[in-house]
Amino acid sequence: QQPVQSPQAVILREGEDAVINCSSSKALYSVHWYRQKHGEAPVFLMILLKGGEQKGHDKISASFNEKKQQSSLYLTASQLSYSGTYFCGTERSSNQGGKLIFGQGTELSVKP
Amino acid sequence: DTAVSQTPKYLVTQMGNDKSIKCEQNLGHDTMYWYKQDSKKFLKIMFSYNNKELIINETVPNRFSPKSPDKAHLNLHINSLELGDSAVYFCASSPRGAGRQFFGPGTRLTVL
Repeated sequence: QQPVQSPQAVILREGEDAVINCSSSKALYSVHWYRQKHGEAPVFLMILLKGGEQKGHDKISASFNEKKQQSSLYLTASQLSYSGTYFCGTERSSNQGGKLIFGQGTELSVKP
Repeated sequence: DTAVSQTPKYLVTQMGNDKSIKCEQNLGHDTMYWYKQDSKKFLKIMFSYNNKELIINETVPNRFSPKSPDKAHLNLHINSLELGDSAVYFCASSPRGAGRQFFGPGTRLTVL
């Protein structure tokens, strides 16, 4: 029941855009996105609740299609600071005590 | 002013030993978690406590025993350490078992 992320890795030049996808085989209540830099803790980016919403955070935004059980993270005009591993974390329902099942991660490298 | 702190940051020990990792959060959150991140960066939830009560207990060997003396602290004790226990262990917290999770800096455990 682990969500599947794609691509596994992506290399960008500064200023380029990227999309990271997260797919689940189960119905979802919410999708969380986190970024983890090497040797550091995961850091929260955003959370999307079922309802097909789209959220933005500076030049990073995300969408959630609950019917397809998919979420996508959009990174526009990438900066060097965007490098890291991106994880989606999924919740099956609102009464699971915050239990997140994480995808395998997508490694993003932004080069000058 | 660290939000979620863990000690120690590094732990190197021999197989068969018993060790503990401590976690404290000063965010006033009700819910705390333990995650294990393996060498392939797979992040998996182990336990969750809400107001000192165990609410999530994944299929973790019973050599692992969490203890929450109060809602600001969640410790992890590991008996009879095995090579496969080598990983980075992250503590996290969230308000009322929902919403964004704040991760501690991690404890890198190496079992020799």
